[in-house]
Amino acid sequence: DTGVSQNPRHKITKRGQNVTFRCDPISEHNRLYWYRQTLGQGPEFLTYFQNEAQLEKSRLLSDRFSAERPKGSFSTLEIQRTEQGDSAMYLCASSLVLGGEGAEAFFGQGTRLTVV
Amino acid sequence: AQSVTQPDIHITVSEGASLELRCNYSYGATPYLFWYVQSPGQGLQLLLKYFSGDTLVQGIKGFEAEFKRSQSSFNLRKPSVHWSDAAEYFCAVGAWDDKIIFGKGTRLHILP
Repeated sequence: DTGVSQNPRHKITKRGQNVTFRCDPISEHNRLYWYRQTLGQGPEFLTYFQNEAQLEKSRLLSDRFSAERPKGSFSTLEIQRTEQGDSAMYLCASSLVLGGEGAEAFFGQGTRLTVV
Repeated sequence: AQSVTQPDIHITVSEGASLELRCNYSYGATPYLFWYVQSPGQGLQLLLKYFSGDTLVQGIKGFEAEFKRSQSSFNLRKPSVHWSDAAEYFCAVGAWDDKIIFGKGTRLHILP
C-alpha cells in the first residue's frame, strides 16, 4: 500500500482560472476527507465522503468549491474562478470506518495551490 | 458544534525537559480524539488516538495523552523531549459517524 496519493503536488494558476486536484485514498478505505491548510494554521475541514456519498460540506466553503467521489474510490476537488485567497495547501485523508468503530485518518502530502 | 482549542500557539522547552501540550474540545457525544504531528515540509502523522477504554493512551515516539472527560481535555505529554521533536502538533476530535476537525496547532521549539 502506497498511502494516500495527491496530484499534482504543486499548482500555480492565474486568478480566475479553474483548477482540479485528485486524491487517491488508501485502497479499500471507505471514508475520504478534504482539508485546507494555510501557513501557521491547522487543517480546516472542507468536506468528506463515505464511499461515494458526500456527507457534509463546510458552511464556510464557497460555492466555487466542489468535490466528487464518483465510484467511491478516488476523489476530485475543483475550484472555479480561483482567487488569491484560495492559495493554500489542500490535504486529502482517508480512513476505514466500520460500523461504530473509530478510525484514524491517514493523510497525503497535499497539493500546494498558488494563485497569482 | 465540534470545536478544538489548543491554547498555546508556541511552546519552547529545553532538550531533555518534560513536555505537556494542552488540548480542550467541545463535542456533544463521547468523542474520538487524536494527536497528529507535522514537521516542516512533511505530511501529518498520527501520534496517538483515543477511542474508548483506558484514558491514558500511549503513542509513537514516546508520547502519551490522557483523556479527562470532566475537563474536556486531551493533553499530550512526553517525559523528555529530543531536538527531533521540534514540529507542529495538532489535536483533533471526531466520531465514527462524524467528521474529524483540528485545532489550530501548537508549534514546539526545542532549546539545545
